[in-house]
Amino acid sequence: KAGVTQTPRYLIKTRGQQVTLSCSPISGHRSVSWYQQTPGQGLQFLFEYFSETQRNKGNFPGRFSGRQFSNSRSEMNVSTLELGDSALYLCASSLEAPAPYEQYFGPGTRLTVT
Amino acid sequence: LAKTTQPISMDSYEGQEVNITCSHNNIATNDYITWYQQFPSQGPRFIIQGYKTKVTNEVASLFIPADRKSSTLSLPRVSLSDTAVYYCLRRDTGRRALTFGSGTRLQVQP
Repeated sequence: KAGVTQTPRYLIKTRGQQVTLSCSPISGHRSVSWYQQTPGQGLQFLFEYFSETQRNKGNFPGRFSGRQFSNSRSEMNVSTLELGDSALYLCASSLEAPAPYEQYFGPGTRLTVT
Repeated sequence: LAKTTQPISMDSYEGQEVNITCSHNNIATNDYITWYQQFPSQGPRFIIQGYKTKVTNEVASLFIPADRKSSTLSLPRVSLSDTAVYYCLRRDTGRRALTFGSGTRLQVQP
């Protein structure tokens, strides 16, 4: 069974631009969560989607948004990029939500903002 | 505000048992604790999950004492390949908040 895939794997953007990251969950998984990982702040929860609905949201500004499509694929968008948005963005999928079902993580998208 | 703390690093030798503790405040009866392992350039990998007393699977055990102020991941006999960063994740079922610990870097020596 194919794992969680994230595209692109690496991205370089300029401050002020916007970016869209994509996540394809494991086949059959209906929940997708997004996380930001930085050396300073560690792993932080961004949001969780289930059946195209945002079920849960972390403590991030409104510049961070996401959506989930009917095939469970998900995208997250960051507008007006700041230098501090440089991070590894991880996507995880699970069968259901919001119960704590086992999450499977993708390899992440490394975003560098210059 | 949920707060979850872990030791920054730990050292061990092959074959030893390793216990990594995660301290958390105000954890409710049904709040889940999950442990993940992460290698460089990879996403975290699920190890074990539970919300009460003791859970065991083929690779680890999770202990949550009665006061629920901490949880301990126990790796029975570590090998060099267990060298990684270990994170605890607390899921607050009431507020649906998800809080990761800061991670513990485990170094296993031969």
